Amino acid sequence: DVQLVESGGGLVQPGGSLTLSCAASGFTFSGSWMGWVRQAPGKGLEWVANIKEDGSEKYFVKSVKGRFTISRDNAKNSLSLQMNSLRAEDTAVYYCARYFVSGTYTFDYWGRGTLVTVSS
Amino acid sequence: DIQMTQTPSSVSASVGDRVTITCRASQDLNSWLAWFQQKPGKAPKLLIYAASSLQSGVPSRFSGSGSGTDFTLTISSLQPEDCGNYYCQQGKSFPLTFGGGTKVEIK
Repeated sequence: DVQLVESGGGLVQPGGSLTLSCAASGFTFSGSWMGWVRQAPGKGLEWVANIKEDGSEKYFVKSVKGRFTISRDNAKNSLSLQMNSLRAEDTAVYYCARYFVSGTYTFDYWGRGTLVTVSS
Repeated sequence: DIQMTQTPSSVSASVGDRVTITCRASQDLNSWLAWFQQKPGKAPKLLIYAASSLQSGVPSRFSGSGSGTDFTLTISSLQPEDCGNYYCQQGKSFPLTFGGGTKVEIK
C-alpha cells in the first residue's frame, strides 16, 4: 500500500524556521513528482511546491518563493520542505502528496498532514 | 496564473438527489482538471482526473465532464457518506491552483 507520512510540524515564532519531512513507501518514489499542499484552519486547499523526479525542476507558489525550499532524497524515499522566515499566514496543515504526471497532472496519493502553527 | 472559480460555495440536498458542482477556469485547461473530496480532519481524496476519468475505487455515482474552461462534477444519487467539501484543481500549468471549494450537506 502507498504510504506518505509527514513529520516535523509544530509551533514556531514569526520569523522562525521549520523543516517538514515526508517518508514515502509503496510506490517508486524516485520515478514520481512530489509536492506539498497546505490548508489554513477553516480554509481551502493551496498548492505550495512541487519537485521533479530527479530534483532538477522545482516550482513554488509566489507567496513562499525565496522563503521555502523543497528537496528530496531518492535513496531514502524522503521529501522535505524547509520553511524560513515564517509568517502567521503560513499557519496550516501541510500535506505531502504524489503528483502523478502520466495523463493526470494531479495529486493521487496524500499523507495525513502535519500542522504548522506560526505564533508568538 | 490560472484562476479557478467554483460554484456553488455550498449545496444542501436530499439523499438520492442529483448534485452538480461547477468549476470555471480563467484559461483553457484542455482536460487537465481534477476533483477532490475532503472530509473533516482528513486528507483530500482524488475522485476524478483528466476532467472525466474516475479514480480507481471511487463509486460510479461520481462523474466529471467538460473541457476547455468549464467543468462539472456530478453526484448522480447523493448518499449520506458524500457529505464533505469538494475542490477542483487545474494541472495545466504552474502555479497549480484549486477552486474555492463546495460544501455538500444532506438536507
